[in-house]
Amino acid sequence: GENVGLHLPTLSVQEGDNSIINCAYSNSASDYFIWYKQESGKGPQFIIDIRSNMDKRQGQRVTVLLNKTVKHLSLQIAATQPGDSAVYFCAERSQAGTALIFGKGTTLSVSS
Amino acid sequence: DSGVTQTPKHLITATGQRVTLRCSPRSGDLSVYWYQQSLDQGLQFLIQYYNGEERAKGNILERFSAQQFPDLHSELNLSSLELGDSALYFCASSVAGGPLDEQFFGPGTRLTVL
Repeated sequence: GENVGLHLPTLSVQEGDNSIINCAYSNSASDYFIWYKQESGKGPQFIIDIRSNMDKRQGQRVTVLLNKTVKHLSLQIAATQPGDSAVYFCAERSQAGTALIFGKGTTLSVSS
Repeated sequence: DSGVTQTPKHLITATGQRVTLRCSPRSGDLSVYWYQQSLDQGLQFLIQYYNGEERAKGNILERFSAQQFPDLHSELNLSSLELGDSALYFCASSVAGGPLDEQFFGPGTRLTVL
């Protein structure tokens, strides 16, 4: 079935450290993945996406890695800042084509 | 600010009641999506509209219904409310509702059913 989940519900890091947030997915037919950031009291905000024909994509301070062999997705945040504190969700496009299937989220806490 | 607006911000009601949540998409976006976020189920897709027509349906209960109006705003109607319907309801919009279109989320409506 379609199920996107995250390995750890919480992650605590120090300011300046690099953060790695992991996600495992079960649907090998999924071909598009997205990372979202949700700050308290706000809706999810797009961070970065990746298609299944790629294994790495970089943005500003963020990198997404996709390992299709083990159905694993990760988000790396370089030089983590207090403003990065939020809940991070990975999501995949459903087999219907347009709906997003979200994992349960990882809460990132950054201390200074 | 994503450009998607939702009203009301908070809603408190009783079991058995009916409520309507409203969403205005970003200017120029033709497609609207509704999601429910609860503590136990996480973020779940409910339904999508494109230019007034239903495009995709997810885990939406029969007690819930939605529509998109000619001015492209959308309403989500929740009836015969139960305690378990308490959740955050998000609306998102995208330009054309395609599978690779970025979805922009509104701030959500927090529904509390007592």
